Amino acid sequence: DIQLTQSPSSMSASLGDRVSLTCQSSQGIGNYLSWYQHKPGKPPKPMIYYATNLADGVPSRFSGSRSGSDYSLTISSLESEDTAIYYCLQYDEYPLTFGSGTKLEIK
Amino acid sequence: EVKLVESGGGLVLPGASLKLSCIVSGFTFSDYWMRWVRQAPGKGLEFIGEIKPDGSKTNYAPSMKGRFTISRDNAKNTLYLQMSSVRSEDTATYYCAGMDAWGQGASVTVSS
Repeated sequence: DIQLTQSPSSMSASLGDRVSLTCQSSQGIGNYLSWYQHKPGKPPKPMIYYATNLADGVPSRFSGSRSGSDYSLTISSLESEDTAIYYCLQYDEYPLTFGSGTKLEIK
Repeated sequence: EVKLVESGGGLVLPGASLKLSCIVSGFTFSDYWMRWVRQAPGKGLEFIGEIKPDGSKTNYAPSMKGRFTISRDNAKNTLYLQMSSVRSEDTATYYCAGMDAWGQGASVTVSS
């Protein structure tokens, strides 16, 4: 199975900070990676698909990028509503696999 | 408006069977792959499996294969997850997803 390693596992940052979360794949998955925002009591919300494409309704402060087997989700200016756990998902190969998540909090 | 509504969760005894349903509206259900994902308490998201639009093919996570069965009824816009021989480790919130829309989740607790 493809392993996705997310780092850091948790972090806190201040309002207005630029924040980058990383997801590293154990093998090549091309751009078949998406990012989800998950808040308690709610379903996961799609944020990015195909590594760099913003999902519908997602604020433009979010962006996705790729460098080799490293994928990043960047928030250009952190807002309070961005507090959540963020998961990456690879859908290049079965079984689909999620990373273990990055918990993002506001300082 | 796209809606996915899961039902069928609850408290179930170890070793029993349970069938979850997910009724979809707001998009052409029969055009999309559909999947089930779960989250155990305090854990991350876990892929269970997904099913082709016409129901002819399914793919499962290895740990789920054999005990979990995904099916669909396109005439009823409904996705199913049949769970058998459930164990405590299956306690989780179960989400259906498709077209990158997700349901609110169905809670399943396996306990005697």
